[in-house]
Amino acid sequence: GDSVTQMEGPVTLSEEAFLTINCTYTATGYPSLFWYVQYPGEGLQLLLKATKADDKGSNKGFEATYRKETTSFHLEKGSVQVSDSAVYFCALRPSGSARQLTFGSGTQLTVLP
Amino acid sequence: EPEVTQTPSHQVTQMGQEVILRCVPISNHLYFYWYRQILGQKVEFLVSFYNNEISEKSEIFDDQFSVERPDGSNFTLKIRSTKLEDSAMYFCASGITLSEKLFFGSGTQLSVL
Repeated sequence: GDSVTQMEGPVTLSEEAFLTINCTYTATGYPSLFWYVQYPGEGLQLLLKATKADDKGSNKGFEATYRKETTSFHLEKGSVQVSDSAVYFCALRPSGSARQLTFGSGTQLTVLP
Repeated sequence: EPEVTQTPSHQVTQMGQEVILRCVPISNHLYFYWYRQILGQKVEFLVSFYNNEISEKSEIFDDQFSVERPDGSNFTLKIRSTKLEDSAMYFCASGITLSEKLFFGSGTQLSVL
């Protein structure tokens, strides 16, 4: 079945550091890929998405590129801020389907001033 | 921005008791979902609901679970006889169409003692 594997957390960085959170997936065909973020006390919010190979999703300085050859969708940000502290979830939705999302286990990011 | 509201934020119950988790989806949304996350594990799909019926459910969603949209605004998840392993964070989500973007609530933390 479909699955998503995320980098184990927690991740602690200093402000302005470079961030990478690794995500790889297993799925047939060409799933849509997503990053969701959960800030403390809030629900999951869509951060960015990509629906086909080589697409780059971007939002709020975060980027992720859909790499079919490596089945990856790593999240990156060039300079993190304290306000980026949150839990980040990688997820997929099977291709040609409106079925439910399959999530990774989440990665806790803490950014220190 | 409109949001999905979940109540209560925390629920503590005794094993074997019935619990009802409540959600108010965004008003013009048509598709409704429940997900859960056991501590330290992945966010898992439970059930999707459209046009007043279940459209898809996972193997987790057994006869102990039920969902209802009783009055056109609330969307509830009932667990008839809770087990210790039902302890988790339960997330409600809604969407306008079967597009990728889901809006999530902040979750209800259920603790079964």
